[in-house]
Amino acid sequence: DIVMTQSPDSLAVSLGERATINCKSSQSVLYSSNNKNYLAWYQQKPGQPPKLLIYWASTRESGVPDRFSGSGSGTDFTLTISSLQAEDVAVYYCQQYYSTPGFGQGTRLEIK
Amino acid sequence: EVQLVESGGGLVQPGGSLRLSCAASGFTFSSYWMHWVRQAPGKGLVWVSRINSDGSSTSYADSVKGRFTISRDNAKNTLYLQMNSLRAEDTAVYYCARVGYSSGWLLYWGQGTLVTVSS
Repeated sequence: DIVMTQSPDSLAVSLGERATINCKSSQSVLYSSNNKNYLAWYQQKPGQPPKLLIYWASTRESGVPDRFSGSGSGTDFTLTISSLQAEDVAVYYCQQYYSTPGFGQGTRLEIK
Repeated sequence: EVQLVESGGGLVQPGGSLRLSCAASGFTFSSYWMHWVRQAPGKGLVWVSRINSDGSSTSYADSVKGRFTISRDNAKNTLYLQMNSLRAEDTAVYYCARVGYSSGWLLYWGQGTLVTVSS
C-alpha cells in the first residue's frame, strides 16, 4: 500500500500570508502512460464532510478560489494558499488514487 | 443537484452487525464508482472500501477485509456497507462519496452517519 505523509501536522499563518502544506507518498503516484499524478487535496471544516480542492495534483476543482494551488510530481507534492483568509481555517488532506486510495494524516491550519 | 444521504448508523455492541445505506440522487448512479470513507472522532480520514459502477469489482482496506461488504443496487440508486464483527475501533462517522472521474478523486460526499461500537 502507498503511505501518504503530510507535513507539518499543524500550521499557524497570519491573515494574508502564504500557507504551504507538503505531502509525500511512499512510492510514485505518477502514471507514466498519461503523465498524470494521481493526487488530490481536500479541505475539511469542523462538522462538515471533506471538500475537494485539487485533483491531478494541480487542477483546481470548479468554484475553488484561485488562491489555492497544487504542485509537485512523483512522490512530493505541495498545497499552497497564496493569501490566507479567515475561512481557510480547516484541516487539509492529500489523497492518492494511483492504487487503493489512501489519505495523509491531515494538516490543521490556523490563524496566527 | 448531486445528493448523497447516508443512514443506518447507531450504537451497536462489539461483535454486532450494522448495514449502512447511501441514497444517491441528482446523477446517473450506475455510471460512477462509489466509496466509503470513515473518520473516528477527532481523527483523520480513512478509506474503507470502493465498488465499481456495475458492482462487479470491490476493494477493501486491510482493517475491514473479511468483515465489511460493499454493494450497490443501481435500480434503487443506493450504496450499502454491511459491517459484521464490529469492534470498538470501527467507531467513526462513515461517509459515502462519489468519484469525479473513473475510480479517482472523491468529488461528492454525504454528510456522514455515526457508528458507535460499545457495550
